[in-house]
Amino acid sequence: DTGVSQDPRHKITKRGQNVTFRCDPISEHNRLYWYRQTLGQGPEFLTYFQNEAQLEKSRLLSDRFSAERPKGSFSTLEIQRTEQGDSAMYLCASSLPLGQNTEAFFGQGTRLTVV
Amino acid sequence: GQQVMQIPQYQHVQEGEDFTTYCNSSTTLSNIQWYKQRPGGHPVFLIQLVKSGEVKKQKRLTFQFGEAKKNSSLHITATQTTDVGTYFCAAHHNTNAGKSTFGDGTTLTVKP
Repeated sequence: DTGVSQDPRHKITKRGQNVTFRCDPISEHNRLYWYRQTLGQGPEFLTYFQNEAQLEKSRLLSDRFSAERPKGSFSTLEIQRTEQGDSAMYLCASSLPLGQNTEAFFGQGTRLTVV
Repeated sequence: GQQVMQIPQYQHVQEGEDFTTYCNSSTTLSNIQWYKQRPGGHPVFLIQLVKSGEVKKQKRLTFQFGEAKKNSSLHITATQTTDVGTYFCAAHHNTNAGKSTFGDGTTLTVKP
């Protein structure tokens, strides 16, 4: 399967612990996005990369959140000192560069539960 | 900040009835995309609209982009049970921006 893959699919963690999620985009896509989705809401933008450069980060994102895409391929999203409010589905998506079809392909997501 | 309002939040229809969801922005958009998310699934791209007044059709689905590029609609003719899911619009406010602002979606249920 050559779609966007995310790992893990589910994560349960205790409040205060750090968690890291991984996203592997479609190989020819140089844009990668992270979104967060809670029940009954649309995906909320967190950040996006073009190749290895992080071009935009949501102002809603606290300093506890950090994302990397060191070689312009896979990306990681780390949440430090997790809080119960961080419980959500974390979605990764990838797309071709602007100017081409910017359809975003989403992964299955990582569901985080903070207890 | 830039927001996208989507209505209605829920729509329950009898199979065979039509369905429409609307997406509205207070600012002019560069383009708008529509996605469908099945229960327990992830958003799946349906269409992208770029031009003012653009209308695109995909079988029973008709997508429109307003003349002012501030609103959009998705209309499904003669709904089927396979149409069940949540339909999201995703707005791009800047041609150079990668960020999409999603509406909160319209959840469609279809009674057979």
